Amino acid sequence: DTAVSQTPKYLVTQMGNDKSIKCEQNLGHDTMYWYKQDSKKFLKIMFSYNNKELIINETVPNRFSPKSPDKAHLNLHINSLELGDSAVYFCASSLRTGGEKLFFGSGTQLSVL
Amino acid sequence: DQQVKQNSPSLSVQEGRISILNCDYTNSMFDYFLWYKKYPAEGPTFLISISSIKDKNEDGRFTVFLNKSAKHLSLHIVPSQPGDSAVYFCAASADNNNDMRFGAGTRLTVKP
Repeated sequence: DTAVSQTPKYLVTQMGNDKSIKCEQNLGHDTMYWYKQDSKKFLKIMFSYNNKELIINETVPNRFSPKSPDKAHLNLHINSLELGDSAVYFCASSLRTGGEKLFFGSGTQLSVL
Repeated sequence: DQQVKQNSPSLSVQEGRISILNCDYTNSMFDYFLWYKKYPAEGPTFLISISSIKDKNEDGRFTVFLNKSAKHLSLHIVPSQPGDSAVYFCAASADNNNDMRFGAGTRLTVKP
């Protein structure tokens, strides 16, 4: 019974397309996140939502739009995909905000051709 | 702006010996530090953490040491086992915000 699940696991698409990655957590956590692992393997936070409200929005192109229909879901929509968007995207959740350990999904490998 | 640094991209140790993974940070506001373990094609999983009010936290074979004055922490695994082979990420956050910063990871290989 997966705690944080994200789909799809692999996503291969052409430049200019629009794609979405879905994330769901069944831990009852209040806070959810999107992280990007780039080619240098750094995990960088993109967005953080607490109870459906945006808390953190790092310097991410506005082609990336998170959507949180409820506190158990945080989806990531990406418009006009570019080659540089190729990365592994991880969804995560934590019990609450601030100083809490994160529970990660298994990642989505996005390849933009 | 890399506030958490893991300067060793890889480490290889013999089974049964001690593995020591190091991490440095620059932000003095960090007060909570964590280690995550990541296997290929999986997300990072929480391993052990330490609050800034402590200098050591132990959980079975895993011990994390924190040196606040040096802004340095380390993870000790003893004895190391082949199943410990993974990428280990150091992370840090300040209690008053949601922004957890990660290092680039150290790939640990434990040889039988």
